[in-house]
Amino acid sequence: QKEVEQDPGPLSVPEGAIVSLNCTYSNSAFQYFMWYRQYSRKGPELLMYTYSSGNKEDGRFTAQVDKSSKYISLFIRDSQPSDSATYLCAMSETGANNLFFGTGTRLTVIP
Amino acid sequence: NAGVMQNPRHLVRRRGQEARLRCSPMKGHSHVYWYRQLPEEGLKFMVYLQKENIIDESGMPKERFSAEFPKEGPSILRIQQVVRGDSAAYFCASSPLSGSSTEAFFGQGTRLTVV
Repeated sequence: QKEVEQDPGPLSVPEGAIVSLNCTYSNSAFQYFMWYRQYSRKGPELLMYTYSSGNKEDGRFTAQVDKSSKYISLFIRDSQPSDSATYLCAMSETGANNLFFGTGTRLTVIP
Repeated sequence: NAGVMQNPRHLVRRRGQEARLRCSPMKGHSHVYWYRQLPEEGLKFMVYLQKENIIDESGMPKERFSAEFPKEGPSILRIQQVVRGDSAAYFCASSPLSGSSTEAFFGQGTRLTVV
């Protein structure tokens, strides 16, 4: 069993739709949860991070962590074509060190 | 404020040669992490370094791979006697001085191709 599971997609939505991206994990010691966006042939760009359980909102993005279910989500409201990218979840026990990544979900927002 | 700088962006090596990948962290960052991304796979942690110290190398292959972060200059990931299976994108990330920081910022990566 992988440490982090993420549906690879691809996921296609019309512009303006609400997007829901999810990851599950097996290690109950994970406390730090992040979402990265990666455009083709580029490095991952940090979008959101959350410590322990709860919600965090930043503009059109909302991150949710449910530690009891070992499940994290990223919601994108009013999706734009520029949101088209691969979204990676990442998590760790100790912060920035030794992040465990999902394989990424490829999102396309259709104008 | 320049981001994490990696060079070269693309590197081609023949089997058996050495590959040297360089990473300059963001200004003010003293923690460096190396990750490898194989095709169709997620990023895998390799090593965590601070200046002149290897803090965690639990993800490094036992042979042929080494990393350093000297007092002056960039961090170097060295792969000796490369094989085809080493072909991947290698990403460096850095985080600020605070050890509790969870924000790791990634560079654009070095794409290594072994022919």
